[in-house]
Amino acid sequence: DSGVTQTPKHLITATGQRVTLRCSPRSGDLSVYWYQQSLDQGLQFLIQYYNGEERAKGNILERFSAQQFPDLHSELNLSSLELGDSALYFCASSGSGSSYEQYFGPGTRLTVT
Amino acid sequence: QKEVEQDPGPLSVPEGAIVSLNCTYSNSAFQYFMWYRQYSRKGPELLMYTYSSGNKEDGRFTAQVDKSSKYISLFIRDSQPSDSATYLCAMSASSGNTPLVFGKGTRLSVIA
Repeated sequence: DSGVTQTPKHLITATGQRVTLRCSPRSGDLSVYWYQQSLDQGLQFLIQYYNGEERAKGNILERFSAQQFPDLHSELNLSSLELGDSALYFCASSGSGSSYEQYFGPGTRLTVT
Repeated sequence: QKEVEQDPGPLSVPEGAIVSLNCTYSNSAFQYFMWYRQYSRKGPELLMYTYSSGNKEDGRFTAQVDKSSKYISLFIRDSQPSDSATYLCAMSASSGNTPLVFGKGTRLSVIA
């Protein structure tokens, strides 16, 4: 158990809908990262927050947004969903030291039908 | 050219074999090199990390980095069925809370 929790585990929704994925980082970790994992693209970095502020942005679509709250949990919002958004979404956290030690949650499997 | 290239496999070996997993990269700014292991239906977990060039050994696992060739390797000695997983290489230019760039992962099966 990495100490990172993600909810829900599975999500099935229709095209055009909006969903929210939630992540709670390990106790004391200030950085939260969101990744998308698909079979053809592998693990792709979406966005990072550090202590409530956006720190880095990767290949995140404009239909996607995220935020980190004062209690450090984070939410990833996906809107106007398309079939191609079906993937595993992982949240990871790291402490104030070395970011290579990222601890991953169990992921949310999103299926868009 | 992708920043990090990794053969997706699958790779199937008999129990006890030595396994070699590799990644190449194009960004010469990368200084930190990691190997993550991902079991089916689980999140990736950090297996080993190496800073700059050189070797690092941890039990049955050895990580090697050759920055001149932009090539990193993970060796698994005396492979076990429990090593069956997807292995992802990851890299970063900085240790200071920056995102990682991952390879696509190599799926390994160790057959008893």
